[in-house]
This record gives sequence, structure tokens and C-alpha cells, in this order.
Amino acid sequence: EVQLVESGGGLVQPGRSLRLSCAASGFTFDDYAMHWVRQAPGKGLEWVSGINWNSGRMGYADSVKGRFTISRDNAKNSLYLQMNSLRAEDTALYYCAKDIGSLATNYFDYWGQGTLVTVSS
Amino acid sequence: EIVMTQSPATLSVSPGERATLSCRASQSVSSNLAWYQQKPDQAPRLLIYGASTRATGIPARFSGSGSGTEFTLTISSLQSEDFALYYCQQYNNWPFFGPGTKVDIK
Repeated sequence: EVQLVESGGGLVQPGRSLRLSCAASGFTFDDYAMHWVRQAPGKGLEWVSGINWNSGRMGYADSVKGRFTISRDNAKNSLYLQMNSLRAEDTALYYCAKDIGSLATNYFDYWGQGTLVTVSS
Repeated sequence: EIVMTQSPATLSVSPGERATLSCRASQSVSSNLAWYQQKPDQAPRLLIYGASTRATGIPARFSGSGSGTEFTLTISSLQSEDFALYYCQQYNNWPFFGPGTKVDIK
């Protein structure tokens, strides 16, 4: 059974940093691209970032480019999102999502339950 | 960046009726279009990919059509469990979502 479990969310002050993690199991992690998708309270889904299977290709939404960094550790079956210079508008539930392929330009067949990030002073 | 729009924002439908949701891309995405369903306090669930292929376990009352810039999700006979939010997502390059359509009970 595929499982994606996010962690690392919490309350953080504007301008500070936070690192999210996603522990994956139930599939061959290094065969697939992975993504972060967020959802602000009461709002729609926003793709944040994606990474291909071997970390050779990464992409970011314009809203986070230059502030967020996606990475993965295939040996640990884990996906990460380093979030720097956080803003109030980054407040959201952050989902880890599995791509159906390896290249990070696809759709998502499995999602975690999300980890909540709240940016507030 | 390809911008996705969805209409209507809210669709009020009676159980057993047909629901038709629209999704438009600002430029052609070929058939690289997926639909997701999201219920309150749940993660999204993949319904349709390739514009018209149902994902595993998705009932036949859900169907997708379209290509290029215009797409449609049709729910042929709404069941109580279908009242939810629906998002389209293009994956012609990096993935982007539409703003969603809420299907609620009339």
C-alpha cells in the first residue's frame, strides 16, 4: 500500500525558515517524480514544486521561486521542502504527491494527508 | 505559464441529475489534463487523466472529454458522495491546477 506521510509543519514567524519532510513507502521511490502541492485555508490547490526521479530536474511555482528548495533522498525514501523567507501567504496545508512517472511533468496518483504551515507573528 | 480556468465556480445539482463541469487552458495542453475530486478534510483523489481515461476504481458515471484548450468533466447521475470540489490540472509541462468547481446539492 502506497503511503505518503508529511511532517515538519507548524507555526513560524514571517521571514523564518521551515523544512518539510515526506516519508514514502509502498512503492519504489526512486522510480517516480514527486511534488509538493499546497492549499491555503478555504482556497484551491496550488502546485508548489516538483522533482524528477534522480533530482536532475526541479521546478517551482513563481510564488516560491528563489525561496523554496525541493530535494529528495532516494536512500531514505524521503522528499523534502526547504522553505526560507516565509510569508503570511505561504500559510497552507502542504501535500506531498506522487507523480505517475519519473519526469515530474505528470499528474498525481497518490497524496499524503498534508502538514499545516502557519506563518504568523 | 499555462493558466487554467474552470466554470462555473459553483454548480447546484439535484441527486440523480447530470453535472457538466468545464475547464479551459490558456494555451493548448493537448490531452495532458487530469481531474481530481476533493471532499472536506480529505486529500484530492485522481478521477481522470489523459483528458478521458478513468483512474483505477473510478465509477463509470464519471467521464472526461476534450483536447487542446477545452475540457469537460461529466457526472452522469449525481450520487450523494459526488458532492465535492473538482479541480482540473494540466501537465503539458510543470503541472498547474484550475481554481475548482464546487458541486453542491440543489
